Amino acid sequence: QVHLVQSGADMKQPGSSVKVSCKTSGYDFTKNALHWLRQAPGQSLEWMGWINGADGRTKFSQKFQGRITMTKDTSTTTSHMELSSLTSEDTAVYYCAKDRMHLDHWGQGTLVTVSS
Amino acid sequence: DIQMTQSPSTLSASIGDKVTITCRASQTIGTWLAWYQQKPGKAPKVLIYTASSLENGVPSRFSGSGSGTEFLLTIYSLQPDDLATYYCQQYHNYPFTFGQGTKLEL
Repeated sequence: QVHLVQSGADMKQPGSSVKVSCKTSGYDFTKNALHWLRQAPGQSLEWMGWINGADGRTKFSQKFQGRITMTKDTSTTTSHMELSSLTSEDTAVYYCAKDRMHLDHWGQGTLVTVSS
Repeated sequence: DIQMTQSPSTLSASIGDKVTITCRASQTIGTWLAWYQQKPGKAPKVLIYTASSLENGVPSRFSGSGSGTEFLLTIYSLQPDDLATYYCQQYHNYPFTFGQGTKLEL
């Protein structure tokens, strides 16, 4: 059974960075990409990018280029997403989701609040 | 970026009704479209992929159709558990983009 378990909620100051983790199980981590998305309060979903589970290649939305990093650890089947230079506009629930062309399994979400 | 537009934004229906949600893409996406259901405080769950394929475990009262730029999600015989917000998503081009959502309520 596929599971994606994310790290807990976090509160950050404007200008700082946040790192969210996604621990996967139940499938071959190296055979599927992992996507990261977010959802601001009351808003729709926004795709941020993906990381290839085999070779670590990444593809980011232009909106986040320059301030987003995605990494993977095959030994722990975990991916991390780090977003820097945070502003209040980055307050959202962040999700990881497994790729099967569409997004077939999702983490439970991680609330990141940016506030001074 | 490809813009996805859903209608209506809110849909009032009764148990047992047949409901239809429309999703339009700003350019052709073939059948690279998925539909997701999201309940408050929960992650989205995929219902339909490649426009008309039913995800494993999803009840057969959910049906998707369309290609190109116009797509439909139909729920036959609405059940209480179906009250949620529904999103369409294109995965034809990067960045993947979502519709603004359709909230289904009684």
